[in-house]
Formats: sequence, structure tokens, C-alpha cells
Amino acid sequence: GAVVSQHPSRVICKSGTSVKIECRSLDFQATTMFWYRQFPKQSLMLMATSNEGSKATYEQGVEKDKFLINHASLTLSTLTVTSAHPEDSSFYICSAAGPGGNQPQHFGDGTRLSIL
Amino acid sequence: AQSVTQLDSHVSVSEGTPVLLRCNYSSSYSPSLFWYVQHPNKGLQLLLKYTSAATLVKGINGFEAEFKKSETSFHLTKPSAHMSDAAEYFCVVSDNTNAGKSTFGDGTTLTVKP
Repeated sequence: GAVVSQHPSRVICKSGTSVKIECRSLDFQATTMFWYRQFPKQSLMLMATSNEGSKATYEQGVEKDKFLINHASLTLSTLTVTSAHPEDSSFYICSAAGPGGNQPQHFGDGTRLSIL
Repeated sequence: AQSVTQLDSHVSVSEGTPVLLRCNYSSSYSPSLFWYVQHPNKGLQLLLKYTSAATLVKGINGFEAEFKKSETSFHLTKPSAHMSDAAEYFCVVSDNTNAGKSTFGDGTTLTVKP
């Protein structure tokens, strides 16, 4: 089946640091990638949708200057949390989908971000 | 517009007994529907999907779901629960007119007792 690799799986860093998370589709071309944030015991909250070669579309309330998304190729998207603060601590999950409106999303294993 | 409601936040079954996780949806268009499973500190794994073909969909690990348009439901079932099935389950609806954008249910925590 389709495989999505997300790296790193866990990050612990100091407040004010910028953190980059990578999401790669290993065996298919991901025309669309999604970034989610998940709080404990809650469902996934969509942060942004990115299409290869174009600017990401951010959901309401998500700061685009805070959460920088780059989708430079059909197999790689990155999320950079700039100047991270303790309130940014969360579980971040990416997913990737192929072309077409009814394609399932394939998820990475998530990144646990802890800001001290 | 679309939405999805998972009717039970927690379900507890004994090992070897049937599993039923309920999901109702609403969509302005013919939707695609998915069930995903999430184990602790992991991403989501696709169990099965409905995309306007057969209404009874078989997935991995013995799970299946039936799309019932008249009831706007897509309940997930398994004849016999296994300890390894204990996890969080998400029902997801995708509006095919907005390629790939999906709405997630709040999740159902499945506990399997020995």
C-alpha cells in the first residue's frame, strides 16, 4: 500500500527555536498533502492543504507566518513551526493523496513536538 | 457542506465478540467515506473506503462497513474482536467536489477486554 514517511517522530526543543517537519510519499505521487494538528484525546484538526508547486491553503485561525508550508515536489512537503512556543506543543500529522477527488489520504506516523 | 458524527465516543467489547462502531454523515454531494484506525502516538491507517461502488465494503483486519444512503450511515463492523483492535477509530467523509479535503469525526475509542 501507499507509504508516507514523516520525520522526525519526536522533537524536544527550547522556546524560540524553529522546527522543520518533513513528509514524504515514498511510492506514489502526492498531488495534495495535508497538515493536521491533534490535541490529546481529540480528533485531527486540519491546518492547511498544499498542492505541489503552489501556495498552501490555510484553515481559518491558522497563522501562515507561524506555520510555513512548502510543497516543492510531488513527494515532499515540509512544515516549519517558526519561533515555537510552549503552546505550539502538539502532535502534528501529515497526509498525502494522489490525484482525483475520491482518493484516500495516507498518513505519516506523526511528530510529537514538545517546546520547553 | 459536509459533516460526520460518530455516535459513540467509547465502545467496549470482550475479545471474540462482535464490534460495531457507528457513523452518520451528511454531504451535499455523493460522498466518499473512509474508516481509519489510530494506535497511540501513531498516524492513521486506512481500514477501508467507499467510493460509490459496492455498498458493502471489506477492509483490512476483518473489518467491513456498509454504506446506507437512506440512513446516511457508514457503520464499521467486525465479527470477532481481537485484543490488537483496541485503538481509536475515525470515520471520514470527503466531498469529491473539493478534491481530497475531508471532514473527520471525533473518533471512537475501542476497548477490548480479555
